[in-house]
Amino acid sequence: EVQLVESGGGLVQPGGSLRLSCAASGFNFSNYGMSWVRQAPGKGLEWVSAISRSGNKTYYADSVKARFTISRDSSKSTLYLQMKSLRVGETAIYYCAKEGAVVGIGYLQYWGQGTLVTVSS
Amino acid sequence: DIVMTQNTLSLSVTPGQPASISCKSSQSLLLSDGKTYLYWFVQKSGQSPRLLIYEVSNRFSGVPDRFSGGGSGTDFTLKISRVEAEDVGVYYCMQSKELPFTFGPGTKVEIQ
Repeated sequence: EVQLVESGGGLVQPGGSLRLSCAASGFNFSNYGMSWVRQAPGKGLEWVSAISRSGNKTYYADSVKARFTISRDSSKSTLYLQMKSLRVGETAIYYCAKEGAVVGIGYLQYWGQGTLVTVSS
Repeated sequence: DIVMTQNTLSLSVTPGQPASISCKSSQSLLLSDGKTYLYWFVQKSGQSPRLLIYEVSNRFSGVPDRFSGGGSGTDFTLKISRVEAEDVGVYYCMQSKELPFTFGPGTKVEIQ
């Protein structure tokens, strides 16, 4: 059974940093790309970032480029999202998602339960 | 960016009756590989999103066959043949033809 468990969320001040983790199990982590998607309270879904299965290709929404860094550690089957210079408007639940194909990104097959990031002074 | 539109933001359905949710994209989602990168997700209250349909019309594993997806180019539809109480939730379409991947605003399905 595929399981994705996010952690690392919490309260952070505007301008602060936070690192999210997504522990994966139930599949060969090295074979699949991964993504982060966020959802502000009461709002819709917004794709944030993706990483290829090897980790050598990363992709970002313009709104987070140069402030967020996606990475992965296959030895730990864990996906990360390092977030810097956080803004109030980035308060959201952050979900990690597993790709559904071994090639390419954008087929968000399984999602974790999410971790809440609150950016507030 | 490709804009995804779901004109119906809320839909009230009688159990046992059909429901149809539409989604339009600002440009064709057909890629040169012949695939159309349109997906449907449902998010039930307090839960994370769950994949229903991939590449327009393919039901994901475990999805009841009362759900079906169709359409082409820029116009897509998710159909529920006979709505059940458990189908309550917000339904999102998403495109991954090009970055950034974008979602529709969601259609909330409620039971009458």
